[in-house]
Amino acid sequence: AQSVAQPEDQVNVAEGNPLTVKCTYSVSGNPYLFWYVQYPNRGLQFLLKYITGDNLVKGSYGFEAEFNKSQTSFHLKKPSALVSDSALYFCAVRGNTGNQFYFGTGTSLTVIP
Amino acid sequence: DTGVSQNPRHKITKRGQNVTFRCDPISEHNRLYWYRQTLGQGPEFLTYFQNEAQLEKSRLLSDRFSAERPKGSFSTLEIQRTEQGDSAMYLCASSQTSSYNEQFFGPGTRLTVL
Repeated sequence: AQSVAQPEDQVNVAEGNPLTVKCTYSVSGNPYLFWYVQYPNRGLQFLLKYITGDNLVKGSYGFEAEFNKSQTSFHLKKPSALVSDSALYFCAVRGNTGNQFYFGTGTSLTVIP
Repeated sequence: DTGVSQNPRHKITKRGQNVTFRCDPISEHNRLYWYRQTLGQGPEFLTYFQNEAQLEKSRLLSDRFSAERPKGSFSTLEIQRTEQGDSAMYLCASSQTSSYNEQFFGPGTRLTVL
C-alpha cells in the first residue's frame, strides 16, 4: 500500500533557527515526492518536488528537501525560519503506477518571534 | 486571476439532498483531480481526469459520488443523498500533462450536511 507519514502534528521553532518538517513514505517503485503548504483560508500551494536526480531539491521561499531512499524519507528544511513560514505543511507521494497522490496528515509549523 | 476556481465556496444542505460542485481548472491544464479533506487530515484522493476521460476513481468513493468533465475543461462533482459523514472540504486541483508536474489547487468548497 502506498502512504505518507508525517510523524509530527506540530513543530515549533524560533525565528532565525533552522527548521525541519519530517516525512516518510511507502510506495511501490520510484516515488514522486512533493511538499505543499497551506496558509489559513488559502488553497494548497506547491513548494517543491523530487522526481529524479539530485537528492537535495530546492523550492520556493528558501525551502529545500532531502530525498533519502534508504530511509524512505523526504524531510523539508529551511536554514532560517521566518514568522511568515507559519502554516500547515503537507507531504505527498505518487508511485510510478497509477495517478493517485497520497497526502500526509499535515504538520502545523509555528515560528515564534 | 488565472488560478483554479471552485464554486460555491460554501454549501449547507440537509441530509438526503443532492449537491453539485463546480471546478474550473487552469485553462491549459489537461489533468484534473478531486480530493476530500476533513479536519486534521490531508487531502484524500477521490478521482482523476485526463481531458474528459475519468481515468481513476478511489475505491473508497461511494456510488453516491459522481464526477464529470464533459468537454475537458470544467468539472462537476455531484453527491447524491448526502449524509452527515460527507461534511468536508472538497478540493479540486489541476496540472499539466505529466504527473511529474505539481498540482495547482483551488480554494475548495466546504460542505456542511445537517
